[in-house]
Amino acid sequence: SAVISQKPSRDICQRGTSLTIQCQVDSQVTMMFWYRQQPGQSLTLIATANQGSEATYESGFVIDKFPISRPNLTFSTLTVSNMSPEDSSIYLCSVVPEAGRTDTQYFGPGTRLTVL
Amino acid sequence: AQSVAQPEDQVNVAEGNPLTVKCTYSVSGNPYLFWYVQYPNRGLQFLLKYITGDNLVKGSYGFEAEFNKSQTSFHLKKPSALVSDSALYFCAVRDGGYNFNKFYFGSGTKLNVKP
Repeated sequence: SAVISQKPSRDICQRGTSLTIQCQVDSQVTMMFWYRQQPGQSLTLIATANQGSEATYESGFVIDKFPISRPNLTFSTLTVSNMSPEDSSIYLCSVVPEAGRTDTQYFGPGTRLTVL
Repeated sequence: AQSVAQPEDQVNVAEGNPLTVKCTYSVSGNPYLFWYVQYPNRGLQFLLKYITGDNLVKGSYGFEAEFNKSQTSFHLKKPSALVSDSALYFCAVRDGGYNFNKFYFGSGTKLNVKP
């Protein structure tokens, strides 16, 4: 498994501002992902963070709104830009440590974002 | 396309009784199935997974899940529920094909265990 930490754990932000969320893993991992979990709902994949290249975004998510960096195999950031109240969610970082098809995905503790 | 269904939004059970949280799936190819639990204000914790082999998979905290290929189900079970098991449970399936690093999550089932 992998130990994953996220900063901040929670934040309250004003509309129109941006917040950068950090994800740190205690070991090098193959895959890193960012999810959004809106209140009372399941997880929605935002993007796959690719080391050394642009992230791969899912339908409905764009780089201008959710820029992602992954400078190395243990760290990634997600920025929520120009926030609106609809961005209020839990944002989760996850990793798949190895490249095997049967490997497990592990999640960070999440960042609870409230936009006023 | 891969998908996961959790037909029950909520399951209520008395402490000490057996519990079942249902999950059905649709995949092309071999299914790689997972259960996660989310406690309030926490991230998701991995409970167990089925890749191949024995249809009954044992996981953390006394949970187990039964893979049933003919019914395309992967129900989560525990013989004796604890109040501390109260949480949100997610079933997930991993794409067994080209996009094998994509995971598809169910809508979640809230488990309430009453003393």
